[in-house]
Amino acid sequence: DVKVTQSSRYLVKRTGEKVFLECVQDMDHENMFWYRQDPGLGLRLIYFSYDVKMKEKGDIPEGYSVSREKKERFSLILESASTNQTSMYLCASSFTGQGYLGNTIYFGEGSWLTVV
Amino acid sequence: SQQGEEDPQALSIQEGENATMNCSYKTSINNLQWYRQNSGRGLVHLILIRSNEREKHSGRLRVTLDTSKKSSSLLITASRAADTASYFCATVEYGNKLVFGAGTILRVKS
Repeated sequence: DVKVTQSSRYLVKRTGEKVFLECVQDMDHENMFWYRQDPGLGLRLIYFSYDVKMKEKGDIPEGYSVSREKKERFSLILESASTNQTSMYLCASSFTGQGYLGNTIYFGEGSWLTVV
Repeated sequence: SQQGEEDPQALSIQEGENATMNCSYKTSINNLQWYRQNSGRGLVHLILIRSNEREKHSGRLRVTLDTSKKSSSLLITASRAADTASYFCATVEYGNKLVFGAGTILRVKS
């Protein structure tokens, strides 16, 4: 089974802290994504990556950065956490290819971040 | 940007009934996918339908796609209490980037 593991399920951080959210996938997927999910707003893409050291901005990249030094790991960084970044963060991965599951995206269980 | 928009926003039915959720999108698509999310958990892929397909089945799930109307529907037959979840449609933009709608909250009462 494909496994996408997010290192922290629940975090509480203070305003101004630097926050790291880690994500690891075990399927050798090329693509990795970070979404945030808020009530009434659905899932919004923050950043995605097609390959090691490659990154592309999503719809809401402000206040975030990412790092992909290894294929299996994609980190989301909040340089200076703010209360409006309190949310659920979802990491996901997929491989690039044809076929039935070519575009299926596999999600982690989510990280609930509260910034106080 | 929210490409897929689900309708209704919330749906409450009795166990055994069928549940139908609709999704509309704006641009041309490569494929459309449906995902399920149990409360507080990650999303799980349910079914993918390609732009050249009109209907697809998987167990109690039936998905249709009408590219002329830019819409899709997800039918869950003989619903169970365990089907209670949020359901999202998602469309693939350039580069395998999935764009999600706001979701339909389904509640199945036993």
